[in-house]
Amino acid sequence: AQSVTQPDIHITVSEGASLELRCNYSYGATPYLFWYVQSPGQGLQLLLKYFSGDTLVQGIKGFEAEFKRSQSSFNLRKPSVHWSDAAEYFCAVAIPNDYKLSFGAGTTVTVRA
Amino acid sequence: EAGVAQSPRYKIIEKRQSVAFWCNPISGHATLYWYQQILGQGPKLLIQFQNNGVVDDSQLPKDRFSAERLKGVDSTLKIQPAKLEDSAVYLCASRDGYTGELFFGEGSRLTVL
Repeated sequence: AQSVTQPDIHITVSEGASLELRCNYSYGATPYLFWYVQSPGQGLQLLLKYFSGDTLVQGIKGFEAEFKRSQSSFNLRKPSVHWSDAAEYFCAVAIPNDYKLSFGAGTTVTVRA
Repeated sequence: EAGVAQSPRYKIIEKRQSVAFWCNPISGHATLYWYQQILGQGPKLLIQFQNNGVVDDSQLPKDRFSAERLKGVDSTLKIQPAKLEDSAVYLCASRDGYTGELFFGEGSRLTVL
């Protein structure tokens, strides 16, 4: 079965600084990979996804992620964070063509002024 | 386009009582999921429907949880009797059949006292 590890429980970053959230997965082949964001009291919103092809994926809100097969990683990045990026971020994996998501435990991002 | 609707948003019950959550997916989405999100954890799949049939309920605690999607549209998740460990946010999601993207509702937060 596939699984996801997000090593960082909590990250604090200054507004305007860069952000990188780590995600490692376990699966025998290349899975479908996703990043979701959850603001307090809100549902999950898809930031970006990777199915195949170009390993650098652009998403909404200025986020991007890079799939590295050799490292079984799908790290999320943003060059310059805004206070509104404070939220919880979840990496998720699914078996290709089966969209049932397995989520990591999440990383909480705090943005300081 | 209307999103995934869930109700109630909040529910507080005593242990051993029953509770029901309702979900109305995005129109035209045949696949519907219920996820349980315990505080500090990522969402965990409980059950997946395709139209009105169950595709996967392997993670559903069937001694106390039940779910149905009788007409292939709305769905109800019931817990009876509730335990303290059922305190969580229950998320409903529906899937776009063309893109594979899951759209999540805002969730129903259950507190069991």
